[in-house]
Amino acid sequence: QQPVQSPQAVILREGEDAVINCSSSKALYSVHWYRQKHGEAPIFLMILLKGGEQKGHDKISASFNEKKQQSSLYLTASQLSYSGTYFCGTHLRRGSQGNLIFGKGTKLSVKP
Amino acid sequence: DTGVSQNPRHKITKRGQNVTFRCDPISEHNRLYWYRQTLGQGPEFLTYFQNEAQLEKSRLLSDRFSAERPKGSFSTLEIQRTEQGDSAMYLCASTFETSFAYEQYFGPGTRLTVT
Repeated sequence: QQPVQSPQAVILREGEDAVINCSSSKALYSVHWYRQKHGEAPIFLMILLKGGEQKGHDKISASFNEKKQQSSLYLTASQLSYSGTYFCGTHLRRGSQGNLIFGKGTKLSVKP
Repeated sequence: DTGVSQNPRHKITKRGQNVTFRCDPISEHNRLYWYRQTLGQGPEFLTYFQNEAQLEKSRLLSDRFSAERPKGSFSTLEIQRTEQGDSAMYLCASTFETSFAYEQYFGPGTRLTVT
C-alpha cells in the first residue's frame, strides 16, 4: 500500500523547475505533501482531496488525479531553501482513522 | 504555542534495556500519532490516539512496544527489551481532527540508538 515516489533524487540549479510524482496502487481519498530537511521534523506543505483539485502557494503547487491514483508536486523557480526530502502521505478513505502511509521520499538538492 | 515537543532528543541504550519517550502535542490537538523513521525511508505509522483512547496500532508495533496518553494530553512510548532493529527516529505528530483531511504537525523526533 506504500505509495511510490519518483524520482528518488533530483539535483537542480537555483531557478529551475522540478516535478515529483506520487503513485498508489489503491484508490486514494487524499494526498499530503511534506518536506523534511536533514535532522528536522517533516513540515506540512499541502493536502489534496479526492476531486482532482490543484493547490498551490508561492511557487509550489500540486495536483491530484484520482483516476490515475496519482499526485504530482510542482516546484517552479526553485530556491536554495527548497532543498530537502519530499514525502507524500496518503489516506485511502475519507474518515479513515488518520494514519498516513508515506512514500520513501524524493531528495531534492538545489545548487546555487 | 511552540509546537510539538519530544524528549529526549537522543537516546543511546544497550540492547535489552527499556526506554521511554515523551511527546507533548500542541495543546488543543485531540489526535496524537507515533511514527518511526529509518534512514532513507518515510515515516511509518505505529499508533495513534484520539484524546486518551488508543484507536489503532500498526502490525509493526510488537508486544515490546506500548504507548499511553493518560489524560489526553502528553503521550509516552515505551520500548521494552530493546533490540538493535529498534534503532530509528521516533516521531510524534498531532492534529485537531475535523471532518476532512487535516494536516499533521510533527515534533523534532527522538533518535534512538541501540548498541
